[in-house]
Amino acid sequence: ETGVTQTPRHLVMGMTNKKSLKCEQHLGHNAMYWYKQSAKKPLELMFVYSLEERVENNSVPSRFSPECPNSSHLFLHLHTLQPEDSALYLCASSPSVVGANYGYTFGSGTRLTVV
Amino acid sequence: GDSVTQMEGPVTLSEEAFLTINCTYTATGYPSLFWYVQYPGEGLQLLLKATKADDKGSNKGFEATYRKETTSFHLEKGSVQVSDSAVYFCAREGAGSYQLTFGKGTKLSVIP
Repeated sequence: ETGVTQTPRHLVMGMTNKKSLKCEQHLGHNAMYWYKQSAKKPLELMFVYSLEERVENNSVPSRFSPECPNSSHLFLHLHTLQPEDSALYLCASSPSVVGANYGYTFGSGTRLTVV
Repeated sequence: GDSVTQMEGPVTLSEEAFLTINCTYTATGYPSLFWYVQYPGEGLQLLLKATKADDKGSNKGFEATYRKETTSFHLEKGSVQVSDSAVYFCAREGAGSYQLTFGKGTKLSVIP
């Protein structure tokens, strides 16, 4: 039990579909993150939320839309994706966005395949 | 900007061999440093960390020492096991920010 749960674990979607990824943490953390992990590329930070407010959006295309309704839940809404968006999407949480010296707790990820 | 450079993989070792995975970081400020491990099909797990110069992080037989003079945080283990096969990521706390900056990862395969 990592404390950060992501669903679904695997997702196959067509380019015209709309789907959502879900992340849930019960660690009492105030910050949550979305990362994209593609083969042979570094981890890419996509979005950062602190107490349900978005504090960072790293030039992510608008076909990815995050939502953080409360400090325990984070969603990533997907629509009209491209095949190059196929990747492992990782959610993480941390006690605070102020100082990263506690490290992050990661979920197991959602393996997304766009066909 | 902040960056982390770790040795290219993959690394293949026999069981009980000595492991070193090199990691260097840009010397901006005095960041906390981390090693994360990702087992097949899983997310990243924190393996160890060090928060100041000369600190040694250790866990599960792995060690890494924060070397300010060489801006390095190399991961070592004296005797690897098949179960250590995974991808290892070095990371640093962002200078003046909350973010973690990750290296590209090093895949380790341990064969019996």
